[in-house]
Amino acid sequence: DQQVKQNSPSLSVQEGRISILNCDYTNSMFDYFLWYKKYPAEGPTFLISISSIKDKNEDGRFTVFLNKSAKHLSLHIVPSQPGDSAVYFCAASNEINNDMRFGAGTRLTVKP
Amino acid sequence: DADVTQTPRNRITKTGKRIMLECSQTKGHDRMYWYRQDPGLGLRLIYYSFDVKDINKGEISDGYSVSRQAQAKFSLSLESAIPNQTALYFCATSDPRQGGNQPQHFGDGTRLSIL
Repeated sequence: DQQVKQNSPSLSVQEGRISILNCDYTNSMFDYFLWYKKYPAEGPTFLISISSIKDKNEDGRFTVFLNKSAKHLSLHIVPSQPGDSAVYFCAASNEINNDMRFGAGTRLTVKP
Repeated sequence: DADVTQTPRNRITKTGKRIMLECSQTKGHDRMYWYRQDPGLGLRLIYYSFDVKDINKGEISDGYSVSRQAQAKFSLSLESAIPNQTALYFCATSDPRQGGNQPQHFGDGTRLSIL
């Protein structure tokens, strides 16, 4: 069973606009959520995270929003840049059992 | 130099062969993980280790085994490879000393094809 879902396999946006990537989860025991970015032929790299005690975390152009009641999180990138083009994975974990689950990924393309 | 190094980067082999994928890290992290990535499924955890004497099964451990030879080394073995083990394999590390949940740091992956 896929406990973390990214329902959009791809997203295309224009440079300078906002990119919004979405993620849903089913396990209410998850208490830590992360976004990873992956370029071809490289491993995923950590981008930003949020604890379940918060509903928003910002880091420069990247903001993650968490809606626990809806079991939904999103990553906003603004303004989007061509270098942001990559596959973005959403992940969720629980501190007690260290079981991190990943979504299937969303391929973001930012057009110049 | 990469902090998490996986070898080989690519491997093509035949059904029934024994395969070992190796991972070494210079980050000094206690925790190490093996994942596989398949199209449309994201990354799935195979095995993880919290220290040299600790080995735990992940979500999809059947058909795999691991060895934690030292803090810096964690190897994944396929005793008798089968075609549905064709995938991209990633090793990762994390540091529990920073407290609570921590992000994992990934190697660049091993692309394994089993014919």
